[in-house]
Amino acid sequence: AIQMTQSPSSLSASVGDRVTITCRASQDIRNDLGWYQQKPGKAPKLLIYYASRLQAGVPSRFSGSGSGTDFTLTISSLQPEDFAIYLCLQDHSYPFTFGPGTKVDFK
Amino acid sequence: EVQLVESGGGLVQPGGSLRLSCAASGFTFSTYWMNWFRQAPGKGLEWLANIRQDGSEKFYVDSVKGRFTISRDNAKNSLYLQMNSLRAEDTAVYYCARRYFYGSGSYSFDYWGQGAQVTVSS
Repeated sequence: AIQMTQSPSSLSASVGDRVTITCRASQDIRNDLGWYQQKPGKAPKLLIYYASRLQAGVPSRFSGSGSGTDFTLTISSLQPEDFAIYLCLQDHSYPFTFGPGTKVDFK
Repeated sequence: EVQLVESGGGLVQPGGSLRLSCAASGFTFSTYWMNWFRQAPGKGLEWLANIRQDGSEKFYVDSVKGRFTISRDNAKNSLYLQMNSLRAEDTAVYYCARRYFYGSGSYSFDYWGQGAQVTVSS
């Protein structure tokens, strides 16, 4: 199975900060990566698909980049509603696998 | 409006069985791959299984292969997960999700249910 790692595992930030989260795959997954936001007790919400494409309805402060094995999620200006856990998910090959998540909390 | 609603969760003894359902509405269910995921308490998310539009292909993660069976009824717009030989480590919130195809080989899991709690305990 493809192993996904994320860094950092957690970060503290303030409203307005630029936040960058990275995700690394153990093998080439081309662009088959999505970024999801999860809040406590809620289902994941799709933010970015195919590594860099913004899902409809998601604010433009979210962006994704990368291909192959290294990927980045950037929040250009953190908003109060963005404090959550962020996960990457590869759907390049079975079994689909998630990164362990990055918790973004308030500094 | 697209909606996915899971049901059938609950408390079951180790070795027991449970069947989860996912009722879909607001889209043409028969034209999408459908998936099951789970999240154990305090743990990360895990993809479990998916099923092709017509049910002809199914894929599973090794941890549930041979114990769980994914199925669908397109006439009822419903997805199912039959879970047998349940273990304590299967305790989790179970989610169904739609796999959306954007074209040019790009996919995502764009809609998710609210989740169903399954607790395996004696």
